[in-house]
Amino acid sequence: GAGVSQTPSNKVTEKGKYVELRCDPISGHTALYWYRQSLGQGPEFLIYFQGTGAADDSGLPNDRFFAVRPEGSVSTLKIQRTERGDSAVYLCASSKAGTATTDTQYFGPGTRLTVL
Amino acid sequence: DQQVKQNSPSLSVQEGRISILNCDYTNSMFDYFLWYKKYPAEGPTFLISISSIKDKNEDGRFTVFLNKSAKHLSLHIVPSQPGDSAVYFCATRGTSGSRLTFGEGTQLTVNP
Repeated sequence: GAGVSQTPSNKVTEKGKYVELRCDPISGHTALYWYRQSLGQGPEFLIYFQGTGAADDSGLPNDRFFAVRPEGSVSTLKIQRTERGDSAVYLCASSKAGTATTDTQYFGPGTRLTVL
Repeated sequence: DQQVKQNSPSLSVQEGRISILNCDYTNSMFDYFLWYKKYPAEGPTFLISISSIKDKNEDGRFTVFLNKSAKHLSLHIVPSQPGDSAVYFCATRGTSGSRLTFGEGTQLTVNP
């Protein structure tokens, strides 16, 4: 079956602009996660959705970052007034339920964001 | 503070030999541990996991060892194959949430 997909694969923007990154999870997965990976680092947690609601948004770095999942499937990560430090690969993952410790998270290929 | 550390940024081994990747963690509340493999331009792929109630889990060529008293995790790959060349991340998860906490990754190169 289809895995997690993310669009666009690459996004180049200018400092101060607004960007939206999209994630299509695996069909039927109720849990969805966003992570950010900077160069030479491991993925860093941003936000976790259980269905339509954000169950844990404690990883969002500041109020310029916002994410939605209005119908419990596709999610959009929104970044306002982008800064050069936002440049990173943004990874999305989904899992069946999210509530079990053993629930495996499946990752998409990521969106590489470059802020000039 | 880095709660999960992979102190070796890179490792090079000969095909057919054993690869040993190491990971240390600081938070004793972590109770589930995973290894992910990542190829360039792809997302991380789940490889193997272990619960804190075990000290070893084996899946084919891959074995994960957990030493809770030392807060240390290792991944053994034997025999190593050139296709195993990738970045390997260890990750942990606590009982209080679903988020994964990742190490910095180790680039494994298996030479033919």
